[in-house]
Amino acid sequence: DGGITQSPKYLFRKEGQNVTLSCEQNLNHDAMYWYRQDPGQGLRLIYYSQIVNDFQKGDIAEGYSVSREKKESFPLTVTSAQKNPTAFYLCASSILGQGAYEQYFGPGTRLTVT
Amino acid sequence: AQSVTQLGSHVSVSEGALVLLRCNYSSSVPPYLFWYVQYPNQGLQLLLKYTSAATLVKGINGFEAEFKKSETSFHLTKPSAHMSDAAEYFCAVTGFGGGATNKLIFGTGTLLAVQP
Repeated sequence: DGGITQSPKYLFRKEGQNVTLSCEQNLNHDAMYWYRQDPGQGLRLIYYSQIVNDFQKGDIAEGYSVSREKKESFPLTVTSAQKNPTAFYLCASSILGQGAYEQYFGPGTRLTVT
Repeated sequence: AQSVTQLGSHVSVSEGALVLLRCNYSSSVPPYLFWYVQYPNQGLQLLLKYTSAATLVKGINGFEAEFKKSETSFHLTKPSAHMSDAAEYFCAVTGFGGGATNKLIFGTGTLLAVQP
């Protein structure tokens, strides 16, 4: 089955530690995205990538970093500089282009930092 | 710039009643619009999308939405609610900000509760 996998489902870290969230897709999509979801705030774009070895900041990139070494993989690192990292993180992918191309979402990773 | 407003962060209906979830958009260009559903602790699933081919769009699970340009609205409806419809619903509009691909601008979501 084609789709997006995110691991782990739940992640717990101590404050001050960097943590990397995994996102893999086998849909052969060129574009990939990372969102942060907080209650009552909808989804906010952290980073997106349109091609391997290239990515752009979204609306809330501070304290996060990404890489895109392979087309199917787009890991997100939450660094210790992120002031409020506890949230639900969603990865998505889509066909590249400015049309009515929907984004396909993974199941999400819930990160708790204490 | 594109934006989406979802009126009503919480909506409660009785089983069998009409579901109406409101979405208004702002866009300087003809928009593409989407409705997604999210069940607890899961990712988002596409319900339907507006592509300009037809103003009334039918989606999965019996949902539909009507694009009204004059009202800048794209409200989601379902004639008869089921208990399984209880979830959070997000409206989204394409954000044409340059680059080769769409960005989606999401509303803040509407949590639908269905009472037996």
